[in-house]
Amino acid sequence: GQQLNQSPQSMFIQEGEDVSMNCTSSSIFNTWLWYKQDPGEGPVLLIALYKAGELTSNGRLTAQFGITRKDSFLNISASIPSDVGIYFCAGPLILPNAGGTSYGKLTFGQGTILTVHP
Amino acid sequence: DAGVIQSPRHEVTEMGQEVTLRCKPISGHDYLFWYRQTMMRGLELLIYFNNNVPIDDSGMPEDRFSAKMPNASFSTLKIQPSEPRDSAVYFCASSPGLWSSPLHFGNGTRLTVT
Repeated sequence: GQQLNQSPQSMFIQEGEDVSMNCTSSSIFNTWLWYKQDPGEGPVLLIALYKAGELTSNGRLTAQFGITRKDSFLNISASIPSDVGIYFCAGPLILPNAGGTSYGKLTFGQGTILTVHP
Repeated sequence: DAGVIQSPRHEVTEMGQEVTLRCKPISGHDYLFWYRQTMMRGLELLIYFNNNVPIDDSGMPEDRFSAKMPNASFSTLKIQPSEPRDSAVYFCASSPGLWSSPLHFGNGTRLTVT
């Protein structure tokens, strides 16, 4: 099946440091999504990537869709305490005969747990 | 926009009891999804609906689990009888279209079966 491998599993950083995490797969994805889950809440979409090579920013967040379509990374610059949470990459299963991409069956990575020390 | 609303937030029950989790999707979203999150298995899709009709329930663990969507604004996930291994956080999510924007998650129901 289409599996997503996230690394690192956890990170402990000081406030102000930059963070980098990535996601790889043995399968090709047409879309990469990055979600953040705050404690006690559901995942919230941070960034969506739709084209190989695409580099997208959202404030202090930057994500890239790998050229091979099998990987993506997420960077957070100048981390702050509220960046704490679990970051997930996700990609929708590809329906080969449907002419598009289904968001219905998202495959999620195992998550990267980020802890930021003030 | 009130977001996806789930209830209860926490549920503690004894093994063998019936558990019903509830979800109200975002108005206008035609797709509703039920996910389960555990430390061991991460986020798993259990079932999803389109226009109140179940489309894919291949992720439902076994016959003890059932889900319904009687109308566009309400869905339930029922576990009968519950077992300790069902302990997890259950998320409901909705989306306006299968080919459009990604999922909007509720805040989940934390289920503990003792």
